Amino acid sequence: DAGVTQSPTHLIKTRGQQVTLRCSPKSGHDTVSWYQQALGQGPQFIFQYYEEEERQRGNFPDRFSGHQFPNYSSELNVNALLLGDSALYLCASSLDSIYGYTFGSGTRLTVV
Amino acid sequence: KQEVTQIPAALSVPEGENLVLNCSFTDSAIYNLQWFRQDPGKGLTSLLLIQSSQREQTSGRLNASLDKSSGRSTLYIAASQPGDSATYLCAVSPYNNNDMRFGAGTRLTVKP
Repeated sequence: DAGVTQSPTHLIKTRGQQVTLRCSPKSGHDTVSWYQQALGQGPQFIFQYYEEEERQRGNFPDRFSGHQFPNYSSELNVNALLLGDSALYLCASSLDSIYGYTFGSGTRLTVV
Repeated sequence: KQEVTQIPAALSVPEGENLVLNCSFTDSAIYNLQWFRQDPGKGLTSLLLIQSSQREQTSGRLNASLDKSSGRSTLYIAASQPGDSATYLCAVSPYNNNDMRFGAGTRLTVKP
C-alpha cells in the first residue's frame, strides 16, 4: 500500500520564477493538505483540498495556489518566488482529520 | 488561536535511558493529538494518534498520554536507542478547523 508520494524531492529555482510541486495521497484518502516547514521550525499549514475545492487556507499570500484532481492528487503552485520561500514543503493526506494525517517525504525547495 | 509548545527544544541522553518529551497546547477543543518523528531533511512519520476521548496510546517502546483539560501530552520512550535520534513533533487537530497545529519539535540525540 503506497503512502503519500511527493515529487520532485529537490528543486532549485531562481527568485521570481514559478514552481509546481506534486502530491499523490495515500490510497483511500480523499483530502490533501500542504505545509511549509522552515529550518528548525514546525510545519505551517498552507491550505487543504477536498472534493477538488480549497476547503481551508492558512496565513499564506495568494502567490500560493493549489489544485486537486478527480483522482485526489494535488499540486501546489508558488508564483513570483522569494528567497524566503526556501523550505521543505510537505503534503499530508487523510480520510477525515479525526483519523489523523499521513505525510509524504517532502520537496526541498531552494530559491536562489 | 491554538498555540503548541514543546519542551525541551533539544535533549541528549545516553543509550538505554527512559525519557519523556513534553507538549502543551492552549485550546482544549481538539479532535486528537498526533506525535510524529522527523529525520533530518525528511518527511514526518506518524508514531501515535490519541483521540480526544482517550488518555493514552502505546506502540512498542513508545507511550503517549493526553490530558486535554490541562492542555498537555507526553511522549515516553523506554530504553532509548541511537536509532531513536530524530526530531519529535506533536500536532493537534482543532475542532471545526482543518489547520493542524504543530510544535517546533524536540531534537533528540541518543549517544551509544
